[in-house]
Formats: sequence, structure tokens, C-alpha cells
Amino acid sequence: AQKITQTQPGMFVQEKEAVTLDCTYDTSDQSYGLFWYKQPSSGEMIFLIYQGSYDEQNATEGRYSLNFQKARKSANLVISASQLGDSAMYFCAMRLRGSNYKLTFGKGTLLTVNP
Amino acid sequence: GAVVSQHPSWVICKSGTSVKIECRSLDFQATTMFWYRQFPKQSLMLMATSNEGSKATYEQGVEKDKFLINHASLTLSTLTVTSAHPEDSSFYICSAKVPTGDTSPLHFGNGTRLTVT
Repeated sequence: AQKITQTQPGMFVQEKEAVTLDCTYDTSDQSYGLFWYKQPSSGEMIFLIYQGSYDEQNATEGRYSLNFQKARKSANLVISASQLGDSAMYFCAMRLRGSNYKLTFGKGTLLTVNP
Repeated sequence: GAVVSQHPSWVICKSGTSVKIECRSLDFQATTMFWYRQFPKQSLMLMATSNEGSKATYEQGVEKDKFLINHASLTLSTLTVTSAHPEDSSFYICSAKVPTGDTSPLHFGNGTRLTVT
């Protein structure tokens, strides 16, 4: 069975600085996708970025980038130039090919951006 | 695009009553929707996969007779919590996949906060 591990329950960052949120995963499958979602205190889940297991380049979406190290089974999220509105829970998730699109989530990291 | 609407946002009900939560895909058709449950400060736990026109697939440990799922159309799935008890109080959130390829993400509704008194 697949497993997602986020070892940082909470992280603090100063406004305008970059921050890395860690995510490691465990699967024996070769084909999978990795996702990051943001959940503000209001509860909605906002999709941020996707990385496929066969993608050779790290994914980027605006201020978000994914540091994908396949051999180490890690998919860390990097947020550059942090903003106060980035304060939220961040979840790493994985989906296996052929799993009917089911997502398995990590426990999340609560990011607080300080002014 | 790819908007998922969930209703109600919050609901308070008395123990023993049933509550229905709706999940709609507003601008796309979703043959598959997912229902998650989230306890405070915890992760999302998949409860069931809702398949249009067929029975839902429940995850291990989820009581299918308590959490009734109906996916009667390509844009609507409902979750009914039957005979609710205080331990059913939680945040329930649905999601759907846009049918445009394996790499597209799940899009989530805004969630429903259920409180059973």
C-alpha cells in the first residue's frame, strides 16, 4: 500500500522568504502522480502543483515548485517569496495509475507566514 | 473552470436524524466523485468512491449503511449520514476529477462541517 509522510507538523517563514515543505512517499509502483494541495482555515482544498513519476523536469507553477527526487522518493514543495496569504495547511498526496484516481494524503504541514 | 459545489457548508442536527450533503460538478461531467472525511487538525481520509449509475465503493471500515452515497447523474453525488450521532461530527469534503486525462487533479468542494448534538 502507498504511504505519504510529511514530517513537519508546523513551519514558520518570514514574509518574502522561501520555504520548503517536505514530503516523502512509499510505493512499489513505477507509475504514479504526486500532488500538493493548500487548505486555508476556511476548509477548501486548492490544487497547487502536480508531478508525474516519469516527468524528468521538476514541476513549477508560479511561486510553487516541486523538488522531485525519485531515487529518494521525495517530492518537496518550495514556495518562493512567501506571502501572508500563504498561511494554511499544505497536504502532499499521491495517486497510483490504475487506482481509479484515488488520492492518498499525508498528514499535512501547517505553514505560518510572519510579517 | 472545474468548479465543484458542495452544499450545505455547515449543518447542525440532532442525534438520530439524517443529513444529506450534495456535491455538484458545475461545469464538467464527473463519472467518479470521492467523499473524504477530515477530523480537526488531521488529514483527509477517503470514505468512498461514488460512481455514476452504480453502487459506491467504500473504504475498509466505513459503514455503507450509515453513509449512503447516491450518484444519480453525471453532475451530482449525495452523501447521507443516517441516524447521526455526535461521533459523526466532522468535516466532509467531496471531490471530482475532470475527465481530461490521468494527470489532471481532483477538484474539491468547499466542504461541509457537520455537528451532531
